[in-house]
Amino acid sequence: QVQLQLSGPGLLKPSQTLSLTCAISGDSVSSNTVAWNWIRQSPLGGLEWLGRTYYTSKWNTEYAPTLKSRITINPDTSRNHFSLQLNSLTPEDTAVYFCARGFRSSLDFWGQGALVTVSS
Amino acid sequence: DIQMTQSPSSLSASIGDKVTISCRASQYISSRVNWFQQKPGKAPKLLIYDASNLQSDVPSRFTGSGSGTDFILTISSLLPEDFATYYCLQIYDVPFAFGQGTKVDFK
Repeated sequence: QVQLQLSGPGLLKPSQTLSLTCAISGDSVSSNTVAWNWIRQSPLGGLEWLGRTYYTSKWNTEYAPTLKSRITINPDTSRNHFSLQLNSLTPEDTAVYFCARGFRSSLDFWGQGALVTVSS
Repeated sequence: DIQMTQSPSSLSASIGDKVTISCRASQYISSRVNWFQQKPGKAPKLLIYDASNLQSDVPSRFTGSGSGTDFILTISSLLPEDFATYYCLQIYDVPFAFGQGTKVDFK
């Protein structure tokens, strides 16, 4: 059974950088049949896909255009996890952040979610 | 970018009711739609993938249909544990996009 465990700080100030990690058990970040995604959910409930990383014969990353200048997603093969960095935070980045596995044409396993609040 | 328009935004229903939720894509997306159920404080749970395929361990009262641009999630007979918020997701092309959600509550 695949399990995803998020970790990272819950309270940040505007202009700071968010760093979250998603630890994978039951699968490999280097698997060439899956992709590793970040999604967030605003306080009003809307879900937003942020980006993903996946391995084919090389590492690939794809980002939401609205965040492309501020976001980095990296795999860590030694720790079997992947990370999200989002810089230049504003209060609009306040959300619950999720990581999820992409398998074929689905997001089938999700982490538990982590509330991130951006406030001065 | 592909947008997903989901309706209704909320609905009230009773135990045993049949419930239908719709999603319309802004352009052709084949059958690349997921449906999720979310309860408060929890991550979304995958119900349906590829528009009509039931995820393992999901009860058969949930069905999905559609292809191209129009998609429907049906709950054939509502049970108490089905009161939740439901979302569609287009997974045809990045950036992936979710519908706005449908909250199903008790009439």
